[in-house]
Amino acid sequence: DQQVKQNSPSLSVQEGRISILNCDYTNSMFDYFLWYKKYPAEGPTFLISISSIKDKNEDGRFTVFLNKSAKHLSLHIVPSQPGDSAVYFCAASAASNQFYFGTGTSLTVIP
Amino acid sequence: DTAVSQTPKYLVTQMGNDKSIKCEQNLGHDTMYWYKQDSKKFLKIMFSYNNKELIINETVPNRFSPKSPDKAHLNLHINSLELGDSAVYFCASSQDPGLAGEGETQYFGPGTRLLVL
Repeated sequence: DQQVKQNSPSLSVQEGRISILNCDYTNSMFDYFLWYKKYPAEGPTFLISISSIKDKNEDGRFTVFLNKSAKHLSLHIVPSQPGDSAVYFCAASAASNQFYFGTGTSLTVIP
Repeated sequence: DTAVSQTPKYLVTQMGNDKSIKCEQNLGHDTMYWYKQDSKKFLKIMFSYNNKELIINETVPNRFSPKSPDKAHLNLHINSLELGDSAVYFCASSQDPGLAGEGETQYFGPGTRLLVL
């Protein structure tokens, strides 16, 4: 049973435009969410996080939005750059060390 | 400096063999994990150790046995390898959770690509 879902396996965006990556979850007990970025042949690296007490967290070009009522979070990247091309995983946890990962969305930023 | 390292990076072996994957972290973290990434790219937790003690053991065949000789190391030993064990295995580490409601960022190793023939 997959508690965290990323329904778009891939996304292509023109350089300079906005990339929006989506993530849905089913467990209402989740209270901490993260986005990871993964390049080929490398482990995932932490990108940005958000706690359930907030609905938005911004770090440079990256902003994560959390909609608790819809059990949905999204990652916005603006402006998108070719170096952003990677697989993005969202993950969620419920006040524990155990994280549930989505299956990832492969982002391609076209120069 | 590599924060979380895994060896080997690639492992090709025959069915029925026994193999180990090693993981080391130099971040001073208390908690370490093993994840399996399957062919559908889903990352599934297998084990979690905190201060050398097992705290999470998901439904994993008992052919898989984690061993933590110290806080900085969590090795994964696999007996009687099967074709379905072929996957990428990620090690990760984190500190314990701090405030209630706050999870902990996990730092991942580069992954070990296991292929069972």
